[in-house]
Amino acid sequence: DIHVTQSPSSLSASVGDRVTITCRASQHINNYLNWYQHKPGEAPRLLIYASSTLQTGVPSRFSGVGSGTDFTLTITSLQTEDFATYYCQKSDSIPLTFGGGTKVQIK
Amino acid sequence: EVQLVESGGGLVQPGGSLRLSCAASGFSFSDYWMTWVRQAPGKGLEWVANIKQESGEIYYVNSVRGRFTISRDNAKNSVYLQMDSLRVEDTGVYYCARDKIVGPAHFDFWGQGTQVTVSS
Repeated sequence: DIHVTQSPSSLSASVGDRVTITCRASQHINNYLNWYQHKPGEAPRLLIYASSTLQTGVPSRFSGVGSGTDFTLTITSLQTEDFATYYCQKSDSIPLTFGGGTKVQIK
Repeated sequence: EVQLVESGGGLVQPGGSLRLSCAASGFSFSDYWMTWVRQAPGKGLEWVANIKQESGEIYYVNSVRGRFTISRDNAKNSVYLQMDSLRVEDTGVYYCARDKIVGPAHFDFWGQGTQVTVSS
């Protein structure tokens, strides 16, 4: 199976900061990579699919890039409501594995 | 408005069974794949299983294959997860999510989840 490794596992940032989260696949997965946001007690939320396509209703401060094995989620100008855990997920083949998550905390 | 509402969770002993249900509304259910994702306490998200529109394709994560069965009833706009031979490590919150119509999977709407606790 293809493994998906996210980094960092956690980070501290301030409102207004630029935040970057990385996801690396153990084999090439073209652009088959999604990003989700998850807050405690809430349903996860799809942010980006196919590496860079912004889901409807997601603010433009979220963006994704990458292809092959290396992918990045960027949040420009972090807002209060963005403090959450972020997951990448490969979607090229079964199993549809998630990364381990990145918890974005308030500095 | 798309809504997914899970039910059927609870406390069960190791080796026991539970059947989770997910009732969908607000979209053409039979047009979409559906999926189950879980989150163990203090852990990340784990994809569990998904099912094609007319149940012609079904897939599972290795750790549940042979113990869990995903199914759907398009007439009732519902997807199910029959969980047998439950283990302590199956404990967690189980979410159903709307998957793709075609192409690569991506889960654009999720339910609030139902808690499954496997303990003696």
